[in-house]
Amino acid sequence: GAVVSQHPSWVICKSGTSVKIECRSLDFQATTMFWYRQFPKQSLMLMATSNEGSKATYEQGVEKDKFLINHASLTLSTLTVTSAHPEDSSFYICSALNRQGGNQPQHFGDGTRLSIL
Amino acid sequence: AQSVTQPDIHITVSEGASLELRCNYSYGATPYLFWYVQSPGQGLQLLLKYFSGDTLVQGIKGFEAEFKRSQSSFNLRKPSVHWSDAAEYFCAVGAINTGTASKLTFGTGTRLQVTL
Repeated sequence: GAVVSQHPSWVICKSGTSVKIECRSLDFQATTMFWYRQFPKQSLMLMATSNEGSKATYEQGVEKDKFLINHASLTLSTLTVTSAHPEDSSFYICSALNRQGGNQPQHFGDGTRLSIL
Repeated sequence: AQSVTQPDIHITVSEGASLELRCNYSYGATPYLFWYVQSPGQGLQLLLKYFSGDTLVQGIKGFEAEFKRSQSSFNLRKPSVHWSDAAEYFCAVGAINTGTASKLTFGTGTRLQVTL
């Protein structure tokens, strides 16, 4: 149980392109999903918290117009990197929190490796 | 603000040897504590978690961790390491907000290498 699917797993695109990454909770409903960014050999840095039916909460220093987050349903959140540039190349990971709340751990997707040429 | 320190960036152990990965946290109250493992190019898999109760927590793959409030530590242990345990290990602390979303703060990770 508690499977989170992230798609695509790897994307390569030209500079200036917008890229959409999907995060789905497959066997549970997630009122909250998180988006992280991870540079090579570094830890995960939280970018934003995505709540179903409301606007995402961005961490300090994260451009909300650059990284658009939509959480339209209890099982799907999307991250769109708009007008991507080489410095946006990174490993993006999402996680989902079961809507049951209480003492629930975050369940992580397998990540998306984004390479901007 | 909460923070996590993993003092060891890289550890090498022989297969069959015991393992201890260190984790120290800073948080103003009783924290939620987690250990995750990440294989190259993959997401994170939860090994174990501590919320309350017994301070010695058992996890998957033969791992355990002990919460020591006096030392602000949550070290991960395994009595006998297997070559498949080679990966990156992250300790994380979460705020206690029962019934609401809990943001995690991750340590910088410890890369485990296992020699045969």
